[in-house]
Amino acid sequence: AQSVTQLGSHVSVSEGALVLLRCNYSSSVPPYLFWYVQYPNQGLQLLLKYTSAATLVKGINGFEAEFKKSETSFHLTKPSAHMSDAAEYFCAVSDRGGGYQKVTFGTGTKLQVIP
Amino acid sequence: DTGVSQNPRHKITKRGQNVTFRCDPISEHNRLYWYRQTLGQGPEFLTYFQNEAQLEKSRLLSDRFSAERPKGSFSTLEIQRTEQGDSAMYLCASSWDRGRGYQTQYFGPGTRLLVL
Repeated sequence: AQSVTQLGSHVSVSEGALVLLRCNYSSSVPPYLFWYVQYPNQGLQLLLKYTSAATLVKGINGFEAEFKKSETSFHLTKPSAHMSDAAEYFCAVSDRGGGYQKVTFGTGTKLQVIP
Repeated sequence: DTGVSQNPRHKITKRGQNVTFRCDPISEHNRLYWYRQTLGQGPEFLTYFQNEAQLEKSRLLSDRFSAERPKGSFSTLEIQRTEQGDSAMYLCASSWDRGRGYQTQYFGPGTRLLVL
């Protein structure tokens, strides 16, 4: 069964500092991988997705993630944190099979940005 | 495109009562999903519809839970005889199935249920 593990349930960074949120996946076949962001009392918004081809994926709000097969990782980064980035971030994985592509989410990482 | 909407946004009920939530997907989307999210956890898949057909249900969806999508548009999720353990955020998502490739799921704001 596919799964993702997010390392660190809480991450704090200073405004302007690098953001690094870690995600490792487990899948028997090359998966689809995603990062979603959730602001308080809101639903999830897709930040970026890896489906094939380019291993460095650029998303919205200046975020990007790199798919590393050898490390089974898909870490999320942003060069300079902004106060508005404070939210909870979820890494997710889906298989590539036909029909319904079940999405499995990690437990989330809450990002705190310190002024 | 007004996005996925869910009603109500919050629901407080007493244990043993029935509750029903509604989800309106993005209009052209033929797939609709329900997830449950408890505090400190990521969303967990409950069920999904392709048009009006319910094609998969998680084992998390006990007999007290039922979901419908009668005309392939909006969907309802009903919980009968609610229990305190049902307290969670219930998220709905929709996507457009093109028959191949990945279809992005777009999430609604969720309905937060509190069972007293």
